[in-house]
Parts: sequence; structure tokens; C-alpha cells
Amino acid sequence: KAGVTQTPRYLIKTRGQQVTLSCSPISGHRSVSWYQQTPGQGLQFLFEYFSETQRNKGNFPGRFSGRQFSNSRSEMNVSTLELGDSALYLCASSYEGGSGSGYTFGSGTRLTVV
Amino acid sequence: KQEVTQIPAALSVPEGENLVLNCSFTDSAIYNLQWFRQDPGKGLTSLLLIQSSQREQTSGRLNASLDKSSGRSTLYIAASQPGDSATYLCAVKPGGGADGLTFGKGTHLIIQP
Repeated sequence: KAGVTQTPRYLIKTRGQQVTLSCSPISGHRSVSWYQQTPGQGLQFLFEYFSETQRNKGNFPGRFSGRQFSNSRSEMNVSTLELGDSALYLCASSYEGGSGSGYTFGSGTRLTVV
Repeated sequence: KQEVTQIPAALSVPEGENLVLNCSFTDSAIYNLQWFRQDPGKGLTSLLLIQSSQREQTSGRLNASLDKSSGRSTLYIAASQPGDSATYLCAVKPGGGADGLTFGKGTHLIIQP
């Protein structure tokens, strides 16, 4: 079966712009989570959506937002980009939030802010 | 706040050796623990998932153990191969379902041919 699909794979944006990243989970999975990976901070949790509702949120500023659609696809938006937002953004899907089935990750979107 | 530590940060061994990667966490109230590998510039590949009620899981040459009371997990790799070279990450899911995964910084593993 198809895995977790993230688009685009690479993005270059200018400071102050906004960006939208997309994630399509494994068919049948209802939970989508987003993570930011940087060399200095490692992997950090952004937020988790389940059945179109944000269930959990990490410690990131309000410039980071997301949503989930009825088909479980999710988008993440970052507004007013800063240089420090340059990172690999990873999406993970699970059947019901990872408590029993674990998470499957996508290949990520590499965002570079210049 | 949950903290996850992985030791060592880097490891280089000759092909064929058996090796152990360590992961410790500060809050024993976890739902489960998952081991991943990450190749350079790529996403995460799930290796093993251990539920909080389990002591170990095995997949091929990999064996992961969990001692929840002491806040420790180990990943054992038998008969290492150059293809095992990657960064190995340990992640815990907190009990109660709140928050996402908390990751360690990883162990960068190099298997010398």
C-alpha cells in the first residue's frame, strides 16, 4: 500500500513569506502529526490532527498552523517565515494516534528560508 | 517534561559485530516506544514498536527491549552490515495520549566494510 506522501520535497522561500506543506496519510489512517527537524534541536512535535480536529499541539509560535480535511489529508502553514524556520518538516500518520499502532513517517519537505 | 537521551551519539564498528544502542527517558508513564532509522536527508523508517506492557520486540537481526520502570530501552543489532549505517532514533509516546512523540537526538552509526 502507498506510504505517507509529502509535497513538495523541497522549497525555497524568502523571509516574511508564507508557505503551505501537504501530507497525504496512509489510506485508512485518521491521525496526522507534524514534526520539525533541525540539526540543533532535533525532532520536535508541532501538532497532531485526528478526524479533522487538532488534538495535540507542541510548543511552537502561532505562525505555525495546520488543518486536516475530511479525507485525512493535512496541510501545515507557516506564516511570516524566519531564517530559523529552515528545517526538514516531517509528517507522520497512524491509524488512531499512535497509542497502539505506532507512526509511519513520510520523506519530508526540506524548507530553506533565505 | 519528558526527556529522551541516546547514548552513544556516534558509533563506528567493523562489519559483522553485534552492537547495542541505548535510549533512556525520564518519565516512565509512556504508552509505547518506537525505534526508527533515518538515512541522510530522508524521512524516518520504523524499525520496532514496543507497547508499555511489553518487554521486547524482534524483527530479523533487530531486537529492542524496554524496561519502563528504569526508563530504559536498548536496540540490539546482530551481525551488523554496511547497509545498517544510518542514524537511529528512539521516540516515546506519553501515556494518556497527550502530546506527540518525544525523540532522542539519535545515534549516528557507521558500519565499516
